[in-house]
Amino acid sequence: ETGVTQTPRHLVMGMTNKKSLKCEQHLGHNAMYWYKQSAKKPLELMFVYNFKEQTENNSVPSRFSPECPNSSHLFLHLHTLQPEDSALYLCASRTADYEQYFGPGTRLTVT
Amino acid sequence: GENVEQHPSTLSVQEGDSAVIKCTYSDSASNYFPWYKQELGKGPQLIIDIRSNMDKRQGQRVTVLLNKTVKHLSLQIAATQPGDSAVYFCAEKRELTGGGNKLTFGTGTQLKVEL
Repeated sequence: ETGVTQTPRHLVMGMTNKKSLKCEQHLGHNAMYWYKQSAKKPLELMFVYNFKEQTENNSVPSRFSPECPNSSHLFLHLHTLQPEDSALYLCASRTADYEQYFGPGTRLTVT
Repeated sequence: GENVEQHPSTLSVQEGDSAVIKCTYSDSASNYFPWYKQELGKGPQLIIDIRSNMDKRQGQRVTVLLNKTVKHLSLQIAATQPGDSAVYFCAEKRELTGGGNKLTFGTGTQLKVEL
């Protein structure tokens, strides 16, 4: 256990649905990240939040909408997704300058 | 470029043997290099890291080497056990212009330790 939790662990949604992924950490970290992990591809950074401010959007389509209400919580709002968005979505948080710790991920299937 | 090259993509070793995974990074300004282990159904777990002021760091059965001149990293796992079977990722830390930093990951190495 790294202290980073993600819910739900599994999610199946249709292309017209709206759902949200949640990430939570109580490690006192001030930076949080969303990554996408697809088969046969490297981990892809999606968004970075530093002290609740978004500091990186890695050209992510607008059907993915992040929200960081405070330093302990991070959400990823999903709407009108495509089948190719099916992947493992990982959240991470970072210590003051270096180590990133990952949650267990949400396995998303878009039908 | 943005890539971190990692090889081999798959590695099979006998239990008790050593396993070596290599990476080449691209940003000469990078100063932090973590290695992660990802087991099936789990998120990546940090197993060891090295900062650019070092060229070698050892943990329990793991050693990481850093050659900044040629931008090479390597991870050696000694006396491998079946529990070491997983996907291993190297990464380099890069600063963000907006503040904070990000990790750029290699493509991963699937390690299988056979009995």
